[in-house]
Amino acid sequence: GEDVEQSLFLSVREGDSSVINCTYTDSSSTYLYWYKQEPGAGLQLLTYIFSNMDMKQDQRLTVLLNKKDKHLSLRIADTQTGDSAIYFCAEGGGSYIPTFGRGTSLIVHP
Amino acid sequence: DTGVSQNPRHKITKRGQNVTFRCDPISEHNRLYWYRQTLGQGPEFLTYFQNEAQLEKSRLLSDRFSAERPKGSFSTLEIQRTEQGDSAMYLCASSPVGGWEDTEAFFGQGTRLTVV
Repeated sequence: GEDVEQSLFLSVREGDSSVINCTYTDSSSTYLYWYKQEPGAGLQLLTYIFSNMDMKQDQRLTVLLNKKDKHLSLRIADTQTGDSAIYFCAEGGGSYIPTFGRGTSLIVHP
Repeated sequence: DTGVSQNPRHKITKRGQNVTFRCDPISEHNRLYWYRQTLGQGPEFLTYFQNEAQLEKSRLLSDRFSAERPKGSFSTLEIQRTEQGDSAMYLCASSPVGGWEDTEAFFGQGTRLTVV
């Protein structure tokens, strides 16, 4: 079955880069997504990448995809305290309805 | 448009009672999705509608759960004979006809259900 794995916590210093990793199992995934969830809020789509791409950059965000290893990462440059949130990796399977990981809590400290 | 709206934001109910949640999607969004999120977990897909048609249901959606979208606009999710295991955040999302694969799906803030 479909499965998405993420590490649960990441702690970084303000100004450093954050790298959040994700592995997935469904080789037919067409889209890989990163969502952000702040306390008391819904999920916000940060970015997504097509499965035929290796990298996508959007301002401070860089997504890397290794399709062979089914590994996805999200790099946040110059991490700020406002980036503290839970980040969810999701894969779009054959039904195109994403399957989410458990989320990585990013803690940014001064 | 203020985005996807969910009501109520919080619901506390006694075990065995029925509850109903409402989701108002973004205007003209054809697709509407329901997810459930328990503490420490990612969202789990429950069901989705395209217009008024319910096109897919997860195995998580037991017989006690029913979702409707009668006019292709707002949707309701009803849980009958609630159990403590139903305690979770229920999330609604909507997207235009392109669905997830072409365009962004927008999430509401969720309804947090606590069954005591």
